[in-house]
Amino acid sequence: KQEVTQIPAALSVPEGENLVLNCSFTDSAIYNLQWFRQDPGKGLTSLLLIQSSQREQTSGRLNASLDKSSGRSTLYIAASQPGDSATYLCAAPPGGYNKLIFGAGTRLAVHP
Amino acid sequence: NAGVMQNPRHLVRRRGQEARLRCSPMKGHSHVYWYRQLPEEGLKFMVYLQKENIIDESGMPKERFSAEFPKEGPSILRIQQVVRGDSAAYFCASLTVSSYNEQFFGPGTRLTVL
Repeated sequence: KQEVTQIPAALSVPEGENLVLNCSFTDSAIYNLQWFRQDPGKGLTSLLLIQSSQREQTSGRLNASLDKSSGRSTLYIAASQPGDSATYLCAAPPGGYNKLIFGAGTRLAVHP
Repeated sequence: NAGVMQNPRHLVRRRGQEARLRCSPMKGHSHVYWYRQLPEEGLKFMVYLQKENIIDESGMPKERFSAEFPKEGPSILRIQQVVRGDSAAYFCASLTVSSYNEQFFGPGTRLTVL
């Protein structure tokens, strides 16, 4: 059974810091892993998707890595801005299935 | 290409009434997933449908909840005789089978049961 854990649960940082959000999963036979952003009361915005054959993906100031053997993924946010304040979710489908299993999220606050 | 659409965005029901939530997947997507986010909790998978078929309903409560994805029209998540514990945000996601299998989410329907 796939379980996804995210650390830390909450993070408050000053603007400009580089951040690392962690995600771990128990079933390493994943097809892919997705990182999402959720603003309060809003839907989910897909940030990055990493295929199981890939080790990392980059989009602007975001970089996500994947280590299937250790069951870990990391989301790196460079030069954080107040607009980055949101909850960040990682999700991994258990082996052979598409349904996403979500972590509880990391609530990020970037203050000016 | 419009994204995943859900309506209504907000729905208020009294206990015992029925709630119908609609999801129109992205154009060309034939796979739909429903997820529920209870207050202060994470998103949980409910059901996975393809056109006219329920593929996986392992996350759906056994009673009062049903889902369909007809050949024509949106996917419907139906909750009969709603109770206060059904108050949550309900999200649907769609995908088209490809080498990426990326799920795209709608804005959600926020159900409040009075």
